[in-house]
Amino acid sequence: EAQVTQNPRYLITVTGKKLTVTCSQNMNHEYMSWYRQDPGLGLRQIYYSMNVEVTDKGDVPEGYKVSRKEKRNFPLILESPSPNQTSLYFCASRAGLETQYFGPGTRLLVL
Amino acid sequence: KQEVTQIPAALSVPEGENLVLNCSFTDSAIYNLQWFRQDPGKGLTSLLLIQSSQREQTSGRLNASLDKSSGRSTLYIAASQPGDSATYLCAVRTNAGKSTFGDGTTLTVKP
Repeated sequence: EAQVTQNPRYLITVTGKKLTVTCSQNMNHEYMSWYRQDPGLGLRQIYYSMNVEVTDKGDVPEGYKVSRKEKRNFPLILESPSPNQTSLYFCASRAGLETQYFGPGTRLLVL
Repeated sequence: KQEVTQIPAALSVPEGENLVLNCSFTDSAIYNLQWFRQDPGKGLTSLLLIQSSQREQTSGRLNASLDKSSGRSTLYIAASQPGDSATYLCAVRTNAGKSTFGDGTTLTVKP
């Protein structure tokens, strides 16, 4: 089954404790991206990757890092999480400029 | 900068009614437009993708239209059902591959 998976699905952490949210897709898609969704602000892109070893900033990259060492994986790293990074995070992938597929989301609470 | 607006923000209709959701965008230089459905706390599911050269796409009871020159798209849902209750988002994509999302319309279909 074609899918985008994210882990963990729910996470509660404390300010400053480094965390990684994993994202994996099994569709051999070149393009992957991370979004955050906040009430009243909609979906905003954090980082995206056009292919292996190629990443670029989206609209709200501050406080986040990503890496793309393999085509299927695109982890999101929060080196020093802060409460304003409490949000619902989505990973997505697509081939070229076609349909974008989303993961189930990771709900993060930073205390 | 592309801006995407969805009106109305919320809509409540009785079961069986036909309805139209609206999406407008400020920059008509788009590559395609995609409609998604999002259930509470869940990821986004792609409904329809319209290329910039197309006028409409249909899938079952859903029909999406695109008028690129006026910066508008509509999602028509025929014979609505309680299972259609969800938030519907539109996203426009530029030739460079960047996606901008609207804030969504939350639809409630009452039995």
